[in-house]
This record gives sequence, C-alpha cells and structure tokens, in this order.
Amino acid sequence: AQSVTQLDSHVSVSEGTPVLLRCNYSSSYSPSLFWYVQHPNKGLQLLLKYTSAATLVKGINGFEAEFKKSETSFHLTKPSAHMSDAAEYFCVVTLSNNAGNMLTFGGGTRLMVKP
Amino acid sequence: EPEVTQTPSHQVTQMGQEVILRCVPISNHLYFYWYRQILGQKVEFLVSFYNNEISEKSEIFDDQFSVERPDGSNFTLKIRSTKLEDSAMYFCASSAGSGLLGGYTFGSGTRLTVV
Repeated sequence: AQSVTQLDSHVSVSEGTPVLLRCNYSSSYSPSLFWYVQHPNKGLQLLLKYTSAATLVKGINGFEAEFKKSETSFHLTKPSAHMSDAAEYFCVVTLSNNAGNMLTFGGGTRLMVKP
Repeated sequence: EPEVTQTPSHQVTQMGQEVILRCVPISNHLYFYWYRQILGQKVEFLVSFYNNEISEKSEIFDDQFSVERPDGSNFTLKIRSTKLEDSAMYFCASSAGSGLLGGYTFGSGTRLTVV
C-alpha cells in the first residue's frame, strides 16, 4: 500500500522569500515521487520527479525536492517565491513495480504569495 | 508543447442521466488514465487503460463506469446513471511509457455537476 501526506493545507509566503512545501510518504516498495502544480482552471503540470536516481531533484521554475528515505520525506523548496508561484501543489507517489502505475495523491497544499 | 485536451470543461447533468466525458490524449502516448477530485477531497485514481483494455481500476470504478477508445484519438469515460456523489472534477491523463520515465500529462479537467 502507498500513501502521501502533505502536512500543510495552506502556506503563505512573501514574494522573494523561500518556499517549503512538506510531503511525507509511505510505501511498501521503492517509490517514485512527483510534485505537480495546478493553477486555476489549468491542468496538473509536472514540476519534478524522483525515480531512484539522484536524491536531489531539480524541476521547472526553480523548484527542487530532496528524497530522504530515512525520513520518508520529499519536501518541495524554492529559494525565492514569485507571485506566479501561487497555485495548488500536489505530492504524488507511485510504486516502482506497479504495472498499472496508479498515482496516489496527497491532499494538496495551496501556496499563497503576498506582494 | 503537446497537451491533453478534455471536453467539456463543465457539464451539468440530472441525476440518473448518462454522461460521457471526452479526452484527447497526446498522440504518441500509449497509456491512458482517469482520475477524479471531489470538492475538498484528494485526487483519486479511477482507471488505467493500455492496449485497448483496462489495466487497473480502483474500487470507485464500478459497473456504472466504463472507458473506451472509440478511434485513434479519443478516450472517453462514461457514467451510465449519474448519482449526486459523482459530482467532481474529472482529470484525464496519458503517458508515453508506463509513466515513470516519461511522466504523466494531465488535462485541465471536466467539472461534472449532478443535480
């Protein structure tokens, strides 16, 4: 079984300050992990993915995430928030050996960026 | 950049009516998926489809649901007799391989409202 917990449903930061969106997972097998972003009235856009290669993963728009197996975490960070980063962010897990590659989503974190 | 296209963006239907949600996956993708998100809840997996058959489905995907790839481009989700609890945002996704390497591309969703 697999599950994902996003620890904060809402995060508010000021423009230019760092962003930290927290994600913890549980998985019986070696997981693959993703972060997706959803802007209003848009689809789910892939930010980055971890698939058992480098534990520090760099994604689009300056975001990165670090896979920490000992902490079962995959937190998303960005050094400096931009107004356009305001959106809903989803941490997602799938099993490496899952033939159907079903994705399990976290509950989402809404990021608000203040001017 | 290639997109997954979903139509309509919003559909209102009466309880008990049949509804078909349409998706056009990315043209060279082989795996297709439906997910849904009830307002205020997590995004949930419904079904995955490969080589013209269902490869995996969740408990949600009961006999009221069916999927079809009627031609080379469309991928549809049919709900035979809609219930109030089917009201949700439905997302279609596709992937080139099994998803772990290429990632999943999601559409912008169809908001289904059952009245």
